[in-house]
Amino acid sequence: EVQLVQSGAEVKKPGESLRISCKGSGYIFTTYWIGWVRQMPGKGLEWMGIIYPGDSDTRYSPSFQGQVTISADKSISTAYLQWSSLRASDTAMYYCARNSIQGGDDYYYGMDVWGQGTTVTVSS
Amino acid sequence: QSVLTQPPSVSGAPGQRVTISCTGSSSNIGAGYDVHWYQQLPGTAPKLLISGSSNRPSGVPDRFSGSKSGTSASLAITGLQAEDEADYYCQSYDSSLSGYVVFGGGTKLTVL
Repeated sequence: EVQLVQSGAEVKKPGESLRISCKGSGYIFTTYWIGWVRQMPGKGLEWMGIIYPGDSDTRYSPSFQGQVTISADKSISTAYLQWSSLRASDTAMYYCARNSIQGGDDYYYGMDVWGQGTTVTVSS
Repeated sequence: QSVLTQPPSVSGAPGQRVTISCTGSSSNIGAGYDVHWYQQLPGTAPKLLISGSSNRPSGVPDRFSGSKSGTSASLAITGLQAEDEADYYCQSYDSSLSGYVVFGGGTKLTVL
């Protein structure tokens, strides 16, 4: 079964760092783009960025460039989303999702497999 | 404000047909980029409903269909059922700046 399993919920203080993870299984991890999507409480979906684990090619939304870091460790089929200094406004649900088309040329396809989501709460 | 514009809400009675629009511009839908649609039931992750503007992934009922024309796209749901009550999002790609994926603001479908 193809699946993405995300790390558990996090509660952090403003200014702290955080890395959440997304482990793929059931498919060749290195050959599909993995994206990250933010959903703030009661709000819509926001595309944050995407990585191709095969060569670590990474692209960011202009809204999130410089605010987060996306990485991947292909040896353990895991993608990461990282913050160096959290803010209260980072409180949200974060999803990872796999592009539906195999290959590294383009990343603007639909996302067919989603993780269960990781809740991040940032509060003093 | 989202790059892709969707109506905040739509509603319909069981059995009826509803459509959800997704309006973009010449740098995204109008540039020929595909539109994808997602259904998000309360408390769950989004589910891919339509890919490539009009293709249904395996397992998606044929009550759901997608189309695209010019700078807009639409999701149509026929034979509305109570279980269709959810949030729906469109997604495309915008070639402005360095290029990035964009979502619509989402539409809440209420089954009356």
